[in-house]
Amino acid sequence: LAKTTQPISMDSYEGQEVNITCSHNNIATNDYITWYQQFPSQGPRFIIQGYKTKVTNEVASLFIPADRKSSTLSLPRVSLSDTAVYYCLVGDIEYSGAGSYQLTFGKGTKLSVIP
Amino acid sequence: ETGVTQSPTHLIKTRGQQVTLRCSSQSGHNTVSWYQQALGQGPQFIFQYYREEENGRGNFPPRFSGLQFPNYSSELNVNALELDDSALYLCASSPGLAGVDANTGELFFGEGSRLTVL
Repeated sequence: LAKTTQPISMDSYEGQEVNITCSHNNIATNDYITWYQQFPSQGPRFIIQGYKTKVTNEVASLFIPADRKSSTLSLPRVSLSDTAVYYCLVGDIEYSGAGSYQLTFGKGTKLSVIP
Repeated sequence: ETGVTQSPTHLIKTRGQQVTLRCSSQSGHNTVSWYQQALGQGPQFIFQYYREEENGRGNFPPRFSGLQFPNYSSELNVNALELDDSALYLCASSPGLAGVDANTGELFFGEGSRLTVL
């Protein structure tokens, strides 16, 4: 499994763009990069997934350089409601036996948005 | 579309007791996974059920067991509770055979059951 490294915490003011970078030097050829968001006392919520270059949806953008050894989650113009923990998962959809898959979460990045 | 629902939302038990947590999967989803999330940590995979059979398990002892019913709802049972079992227990469902949407890698999580063991 590719190991990921991301900052433990980040602070940002409302209205700013936030970029959270995740390092994954051992990413394998078939690995995808997936980000989840988790609010306090709630389950994680899928944000975005990508393999290479750039992916954008209504919530965020994901930038992946050509070597794929890192990725950056970009949240445009954050608001107080974006305060959450953000998890980067790489190649963690692990096939085991009869179709079982599991996600392996690290500790994530705690984003605090300040008024 | 009904999302993943879990019950109870909070409960308190004492060491040595047993607990049962329940999960209703999202409509159309036939695979359920359970995760344990200790305070300040990311969720840890316990096991997964597909068509009423366990088809994957994380590093958890046998006192953690589960069931999946014909309607795809699920239970997590924990026997002989220990203080370290205090955590948020998350249920996640997904469509398809493999337990994760092959196109998006997405699991759909419930809000969890907060277990406190005293």
